[in-house]
Parts: sequence; C-alpha cells; structure tokens
Amino acid sequence: GDSVTQMEGPVTLSEEAFLTINCTYTATGYPSLFWYVQYPGEGLQLLLKATKADDKGSNKGFEATYRKETTSFHLEKGSVQVSDSAVYFCALSDENTNAGKSTFGDGTTLTVKP
Amino acid sequence: DTAVSQTPKYLVTQMGNDKSIKCEQNLGHDTMYWYKQDSKKFLKIMFSYNNKELIINETVPNRFSPKSPDKAHLNLHINSLELGDSAVYFCASSQDSRDSYEQYFGPGTRLTVT
Repeated sequence: GDSVTQMEGPVTLSEEAFLTINCTYTATGYPSLFWYVQYPGEGLQLLLKATKADDKGSNKGFEATYRKETTSFHLEKGSVQVSDSAVYFCALSDENTNAGKSTFGDGTTLTVKP
Repeated sequence: DTAVSQTPKYLVTQMGNDKSIKCEQNLGHDTMYWYKQDSKKFLKIMFSYNNKELIINETVPNRFSPKSPDKAHLNLHINSLELGDSAVYFCASSQDSRDSYEQYFGPGTRLTVT
C-alpha cells in the first residue's frame, strides 16, 4: 500500500536558519502530494501541494518540489522564524488506489529559537 | 466564519460512558473524514463519507460509529469508552474524494477518558 516517510524529529533551529524536512513516499499510482502544518492547539492546515511530477508548491516562504524519480517531496525554507514552530506533516492522496484517502507521515516537530 | 467546526472542544468522561462528537462544514464540500491523533501526534484516518455514503472504514473498533445526516455534517459516536480512546479527534472535509483536493481540518476535540 501507499506510505509516507518523514524525517524524524524533533528539529530545533535558530531563527533565520535554513530548514529542510525530508519526505519520501511509496505509491502504486500517481498521487498528489501535500505538506500540512499544525500549530500548537490547532488543527492541520494546508501549507502547500503539488499534483504532478516536477510541480513546485510554495507558500509563506516554504517550497517543495514533486520529484517522481526520487519519490520525494522535501520541504524547504530559506530563513525560519519563531512563528514557524509547529508540527509539519507530509501527505499523499491517490484516488486510484485509496478512494481519496490521504496517507500521512508521522509528523516532524520544528522548534525555532530566537 | 468557521469552515469546519467541532463540538465539544474538550471532553472529559469516565470509562464505560457513551459520548458523541459533532462536526459541521460550511464549505459545500462533498467528502468528510474523522481522524484520531495520539499523544505522539501520529494521525490515523478512521472514516470517510462522500455525499453521506461511507467510503473509507479503517480498522476501528465497532464501538465507534459515524453518522452523516447530510453532507455538511459528520458525527462520531463512541460507546463504552476505554482509556485508550483518549486522543484528539479531528474532523476534516474536502471538495470531493479526488486526490488533488486538500483537506480542511476542524480545531479538534480533545477526549480524555479517566
């Protein structure tokens, strides 16, 4: 079945540092890929998405590129802020095999220190 | 305007009791979901409904029963609550079950079983 593997956390960075959170996936079809962010005490919200190979999703300074050849969708940000502290989830959705069910990674907790 | 709302936000109850969590979305979406998030932030899908029809029913104890009176509402009823049911439960919705559509999450219901 489909699966998503995320870089293990927690990750602690200083403000203005470069962020990479690795995400690789296994899917039998051609899934859409997502990054969701969960701020403390809140539900998940979409950060960015890509629906086909080589698409780049971007939002709030975060970027991720859908790499079919390496089955990856790594999240990057050039300069993190304290307000980026949250849990980040990589996810895929494959309607052909999963009736639209999304498969989520285990989440990576990011803490940014001033 | 809240897109996906859940009630209650907090629920503290004793083992053996029966409780319900309600979810409503005002986005006009066709598909709704229930997820369980444990203390390590792992997210697990429980159920999904598309236009009031059950389309995903993961391996969940039959003490959990979803009900969708209309496509804007998806409630979760839990019988004979157990300690292991303590978690945060999230409702979510998406435009439909196709893979390119992101999910919109509610704020969560923190269930504590004592």
